[in-house]
Amino acid sequence: KQEVTQIPAALSVPEGENLVLNCSFTDSAIYNLQWFRQDPGKGLTSLLLIQSSQREQTSGRLNASLDKSSGRSTLYIAASQPGDSATYLCAVTLNAGGTSYGKLTFGQGTILTVHP
Amino acid sequence: KAGVTQTPRYLIKTRGQQVTLSCSPISGHRSVSWYQQTPGQGLQFLFEYFSETQRNKGNFPGRFSGRQFSNSRSEMNVSTLELGDSALYLCASSLVLSGRNSPLHFGNGTRLTVT
Repeated sequence: KQEVTQIPAALSVPEGENLVLNCSFTDSAIYNLQWFRQDPGKGLTSLLLIQSSQREQTSGRLNASLDKSSGRSTLYIAASQPGDSATYLCAVTLNAGGTSYGKLTFGQGTILTVHP
Repeated sequence: KAGVTQTPRYLIKTRGQQVTLSCSPISGHRSVSWYQQTPGQGLQFLFEYFSETQRNKGNFPGRFSGRQFSNSRSEMNVSTLELGDSALYLCASSLVLSGRNSPLHFGNGTRLTVT
């Protein structure tokens, strides 16, 4: 059974800092990995999707890396801003013989607070 | 382009009742997935519909059911409500089957409280 763990559970940093969020998964046979953010009382917003054949993806100040063999992914946020405050979740999809099982398995998330 | 729309936003029900939640996906999206989010269990997959067919199902009891219409709109039904069903129910749509290399787009959810 795939398990996804995110460390740390919560993080508080001053504005301007670069930070790293970690995600690990137990079954390396993944199809892809996605990072999401969730604002309080809202749904999830997709940030980055890394295919199993890729090592990293970048979008603006965000960079996500994937090391499938070790079962790890990191989300790097550069020059953090108060507007980055949210819960960040990673999710994996298992590989079913070259295609996807479809369902996403989520970690419990990292609650990020960026204070001015 | 309108996002994923879930109605209602809030629901309060009594144990034993049943409830129906609605989800309208982004125009052109054919896949609709449902997730339950609770503080203790986090996000858990309920089921996915694609072209009106259930393609995948999570580990939830048969009290949880769903369907998808020809216009891709989806409904989720929970019968014989229990206190533990209190949660945020999230719907997500995508162009292709979820989990493929196409991002999921989530609605803002329906907050269900069972008393």
